[in-house]
Amino acid sequence: AQSVTQLDSQVPVFEEAPVELRCNYSSSVSVYLFWYVQYPNQGLQLLLKYLSGSTLVKGINGFEAEFNKSQTSFHLRKPSVHISDTAEYFCAVSLNSGYSTLTFGKGTMLLVSP
Amino acid sequence: ETGVTQSPTHLIKTRGQQVTLRCSSQSGHNTVSWYQQALGQGPQFIFQYYREEENGRGNFPPRFSGLQFPNYSSELNVNALELDDSALYLCASRLREGGDTQYFGPGTRLTVL
Repeated sequence: AQSVTQLDSQVPVFEEAPVELRCNYSSSVSVYLFWYVQYPNQGLQLLLKYLSGSTLVKGINGFEAEFNKSQTSFHLRKPSVHISDTAEYFCAVSLNSGYSTLTFGKGTMLLVSP
Repeated sequence: ETGVTQSPTHLIKTRGQQVTLRCSSQSGHNTVSWYQQALGQGPQFIFQYYREEENGRGNFPPRFSGLQFPNYSSELNVNALELDDSALYLCASRLREGGDTQYFGPGTRLTVL
């Protein structure tokens, strides 16, 4: 079985500062990795995904993430955040087949202040 | 905009009642999954349907059941509601063949009193 640990429940940051949201996963087999964002009272929107190939993945809204197999991590980064980035961010993992379901972490609340 | 819709948006029920939540997937997406997201938690997998048959289930009791229809719509039914069933219920659809990405609907907020 897979599991996901998001190390920070909340990350406060000032506008235009860089941010990193941490995610570690556990799995005995190869996996796909995802980051989703959830704005208040909304569903989940896919930010980016890692399936294979280059370990640096670029997503929407200026976010990127790096897959590190040896450290079983998939940290999300943005060089300069905006107020509008305030939201809950979820890291998720699935087996690398089109058949598998998602296992989510508990989420990290990104709080961007002026 | 994911093309996945859910109804109703909000719902209030009392303990012991039954509820049906609905989801309409993107056209051509023959796999739908349902997730429960309790307050302050990440979504948890309930079950998955492929071509109208359940083909995967998480750690949820049998009073959680579902249906998938040929027109890419689906239902989540919960019987004998308990207070702990209060949550946001999300459906997600995808193409099974090479379908690595799940597209989520906006969710239904269920409150059990």
